[in-house]
Amino acid sequence: AQSVTQLGSHVSVSEGALVLLRCNYSSSVPPYLFWYVQYPNQGLQLLLKYTSAATLVKGINGFEAEFKKSETSFHLTKPSAHMSDAAEYFCAVSPGGSNYKLTFGKGTLLTVNP
Amino acid sequence: DTGVSQNPRHKITKRGQNVTFRCDPISEHNRLYWYRQTLGQGPEFLTYFQNEAQLEKSRLLSDRFSAERPKGSFSTLEIQRTEQGDSAMYLCASSLERNSGANVLTFGAGSRLTVL
Repeated sequence: AQSVTQLGSHVSVSEGALVLLRCNYSSSVPPYLFWYVQYPNQGLQLLLKYTSAATLVKGINGFEAEFKKSETSFHLTKPSAHMSDAAEYFCAVSPGGSNYKLTFGKGTLLTVNP
Repeated sequence: DTGVSQNPRHKITKRGQNVTFRCDPISEHNRLYWYRQTLGQGPEFLTYFQNEAQLEKSRLLSDRFSAERPKGSFSTLEIQRTEQGDSAMYLCASSLERNSGANVLTFGAGSRLTVL
């Protein structure tokens, strides 16, 4: 079974500041991990994915995440926040291989202040 | 490639009525998924199809819910005798099965159901 915990339902940063969104996972098999972003009234858009290759994964819009097996974490970061980054972010896990079913966290709403 | 299309985008209905949602996946994608998202929660898996075969259903999918994907193209999700607890965003996603690497899901914008 898989599960995801996103620490902090709401994160607020200033424009230009570091963005750090936390995700911890639980999986009985080596996982695949994903970050999705959801803008208001839109579907989920894939930011990046980890599939057991490089542990530091770069995604779109300047985001990256690092897979840390010892910490069972997959935190999302961006060095400098932009106003357009304001959205809800979801971390998700699937069992590697038979990776048809994503289990999502509850999401973190990112607010960017001018 | 016009992405995953869902209709209607919003549906308001009275308790006890039936509703149907339609999803048109990306044309070359052979897998199609339905998820439900309630306020303050992440999406929850409901069911998925590979081509026209429905391969898994979550226990969240009660007998009042039925999903079909005739001919392996578009899919419909029908909810019979709606209840207020069915109020949610219903998300459809599609993907192309891969022999290796991640099976990346592309999501539609969702169909929001409000049951009065």
